[in-house]
This record gives sequence, C-alpha cells and structure tokens, in this order.
Amino acid sequence: RKEVEQDPGPFNVPEGATVAFNCTYSNSASQSFFWYRQDCRKEPKLLMSVYSSGNEDGRFTAQLNRASQYISLLIRDSKLSDSATYLCAVSRSNDYKLSFGAGTTVTVRA
Amino acid sequence: GAVVSQHPSRVICKSGTSVKIECRSLDFQATTMFWYRQFPKKSLMLMATSNEGSKATYEQGVEKDKFLINHASLTLSTLTVTSAHPEDSSFYICSAPGPQTSYEQYFGPGTRLTVT
Repeated sequence: RKEVEQDPGPFNVPEGATVAFNCTYSNSASQSFFWYRQDCRKEPKLLMSVYSSGNEDGRFTAQLNRASQYISLLIRDSKLSDSATYLCAVSRSNDYKLSFGAGTTVTVRA
Repeated sequence: GAVVSQHPSRVICKSGTSVKIECRSLDFQATTMFWYRQFPKKSLMLMATSNEGSKATYEQGVEKDKFLINHASLTLSTLTVTSAHPEDSSFYICSAPGPQTSYEQYFGPGTRLTVT
C-alpha cells in the first residue's frame, strides 16, 4: 500500500464552482500535513499546512481527520488560475522527510 | 520566503556520461537538503537526504553509487547522476527545510534531465 494516496482526478469544474478532494495516508505516526500546488513542469509550491483544527486561507479550506487518516482540500469560488495539480504531503515529526501523493488534477473551465 | 535555486534547469546528455545538478539555498543556511525525482504524471519520490558535513542517507532502492550526493557547504548540495541511462531521464527537484519552520520545505525549480 502506498504511504500517501490521492484520487488523481481530473476534476473538471466551471468557474465559481466548489471542488473538494481527499488524500489518505497509511502511517499513523505522521505528524505534519501539507497541500502543495504544482503547475505543469514546475516545482511544487506550498499552498497550506494542515492543522488538526482545520484551517482556511481565503478560498481554500483544509481539514485533517486523524481517526480516518485523511486530509482534505476544498476550493470555493474556483478561478481559472486554480487549474493545477494538487499534491498532498505528510511527514513524521522526527526527520522532516515528505511523502507525497501522486496529485489530484483540477481543471477550471470558463 | 526562502529561495532555493537549481542549476541547470534542463540538461540533455548522452548515455554513459555523468551529470551534476546543483541545489543552493540563496538566503538561508540548510544543513539538510532533500533530493526528489518525479516521472511524468507520478508522485515526487524522495531519493536521499543530503547532510552537510556527513554522508547522505539514501531511500530504499536508490543506488548510492549511481546518485552521488555531496553537501559541500551550508548552502550547496550537489547530485551527480553517474553513467546515466535513458531510464534516468526525469525531473529532479531539491528542497530544503525553511529557516523559520523546519517542517516547511522550499523547493528548487527542478532540473529536467534527458538521457539520449
């Protein structure tokens, strides 16, 4: 079983729509959780860290469910510029190594 | 935010040759850097952890003699792909834990290697 798994999508949504997707992780010792955004042929860029209480950054909301071992990302009022691949990443607390999911592709259409 | 650079951004080499990729933290010191590889439509896979002043630690299945890592200073790590083969063609990305919060990693722009 992969350490981090994501629905690859693609999610094709119209502008203004809400889109949400999850990421599951297998290692219960995971301590830190992140969502990264990766544009085609570019490096990942940190979108947001995911905290136990859940957190919101503008149109983006991240949630963590430790009991079921998944994190989620919700994008409200989608913009064309939100089209990208979203990678979730988890790490253990003692070595800062990140394990990535394969990414969820989101395409926002006009 | 912290900036990490990589050089070269793109390289094409012939099979059997070696290629060196540099990763630099531009405005902060990094005693640890990470090297990843990403194949098309696949996840970033951690190859190794580069440690300043000591040997790199490699992930399972990564050949240390093929992927040589040298962390020469607090701002520079290099990855050398030795005797490259077409199957080594990939997107290589380095990262460094941020100066403020170690859990937050900053990625270099990546190096696209094509072996012919």
